[in-house]
Amino acid sequence: EIVLTQSPGTLSLSPGERATLSCRASQSVSSSYLAWYQQKPGQAPRLLIYGASSRATGIPDRFSGSGSGTDFTLTISRLEPEDFAVYYCQQYGSSPETFGQGTKVEIK
Amino acid sequence: QVQLQESGPGLVKPSQTLSLTCTVSGGSISSGSYYWSWIRQPAGKGLEWIGRIYTSGSTNYNPSLKSRVTISVDTSKNQFSLKLSSVTAADTAVYYCARARKVYYDILTGYWGGAYDYWGQGTLVTVSS
Repeated sequence: EIVLTQSPGTLSLSPGERATLSCRASQSVSSSYLAWYQQKPGQAPRLLIYGASSRATGIPDRFSGSGSGTDFTLTISRLEPEDFAVYYCQQYGSSPETFGQGTKVEIK
Repeated sequence: QVQLQESGPGLVKPSQTLSLTCTVSGGSISSGSYYWSWIRQPAGKGLEWIGRIYTSGSTNYNPSLKSRVTISVDTSKNQFSLKLSSVTAADTAVYYCARARKVYYDILTGYWGGAYDYWGQGTLVTVSS
């Protein structure tokens, strides 16, 4: 089973700032089959990024994903008020698919 | 627009079986392009994949839950279901159903991979006597 470790656990930033979230895998993720999700309180997760770097339908271009192998990054170029949430990475390149423990982006 | 909706009892007694159904609307569950999963989230914690089903009826389960999980599909009702037996308080969580588009196939293991593009709103299931 691939274990995904996200860091930091909490990121305290102000609107307009850049957010950089990390997801590290315990072994290489096959063909960069890694996704990022955003979850707000009381809501289901929303797909942001798939294939490590492809934005899902309707996702603003301030969200970008990068990385390969065992190290992946989600970048939010300029935080909008609605971006403060918890973000999860997920690998779907091998079974069982697994999720990271999440990074909370909170308002500073 | 595809929509998924979970339904089932919100309270289950310890040692009993948790049963949930996910109804899919706005699209056919029979489409071979997708698979359908159950994912859960204990309060204040992260996401845990429970298992998935393909329209063929074949399934994959999380090894940590495999002995207690059964997922089935009813294409005539555009629904798929989850049964989790011998529940304990540790199974208390919000349960989500979700759809993933198949993008990757491992010919050696028969595993399909994909990201979840549609989710249900989630349903809280509490295990308590």
